[in-house]
Amino acid sequence: SQKIEQNSEALNIQEGKTATLTCNYTNYSPAYLQWYRQDPGRGPVFLLLIRENEKEKRKERLKVTFDTTLKQSLFHITASQPADSATYLCALSGGGADGLTFGKGTHLIIQP
Amino acid sequence: EAGVVQSPRYKIIEKKQPVAFWCNPISGHNTLYWYLQNLGQGPELLIRYENEEAVDDSQLPKDRFSAERLKGVDSTLKIQPAELGDSAVYLCASSLDQRGAAEQFFGPGTRLTVL
Repeated sequence: SQKIEQNSEALNIQEGKTATLTCNYTNYSPAYLQWYRQDPGRGPVFLLLIRENEKEKRKERLKVTFDTTLKQSLFHITASQPADSATYLCALSGGGADGLTFGKGTHLIIQP
Repeated sequence: EAGVVQSPRYKIIEKKQPVAFWCNPISGHNTLYWYLQNLGQGPELLIRYENEEAVDDSQLPKDRFSAERLKGVDSTLKIQPAELGDSAVYLCASSLDQRGAAEQFFGPGTRLTVL
């Protein structure tokens, strides 16, 4: 069955450093991969989309990579700030009218 | 532009009671989703609508859950009767269309507690 794995443990990063979150998947050939941010008591908020034929996507301090051979996406936040502390969810879609399947998320804590 | 609106934000009921959640998606969004999210887990799809048609309800427990999206705009999700295990956050989301590349916009969710 399809499986999406994200760091189950919270990730503690010192302010100013680069935070790197991992999303691995098995038994899946996604055409699209999305990253969302979720704060406590709120719904997820879309951050970035990357397609299977794209290696890397950037948006301000965010960078996403997509390696279909390794079946992995990395999500980077450079110059991290305490305000970046949240849970980050990766979500995969097979394309077409296929919906999104979400991972469990990684809780990121940026220490001042 | 208003986001996805959900009500109520919180609901506490006793088991075996019915409960209903309401969602108003972003204007112009054809696709509407209901997700269930347990603590420490990602959202899990319950049902997806394209306009008023339910195009994916494979994960909806149809013995107790029902949903409707009359006129292809607002939607209601109902549980009857509720069980203890139904305690979770119910999220509604909408997107312009149902393509896998479409960005989904989420509401704040309804936190359901079944006692």
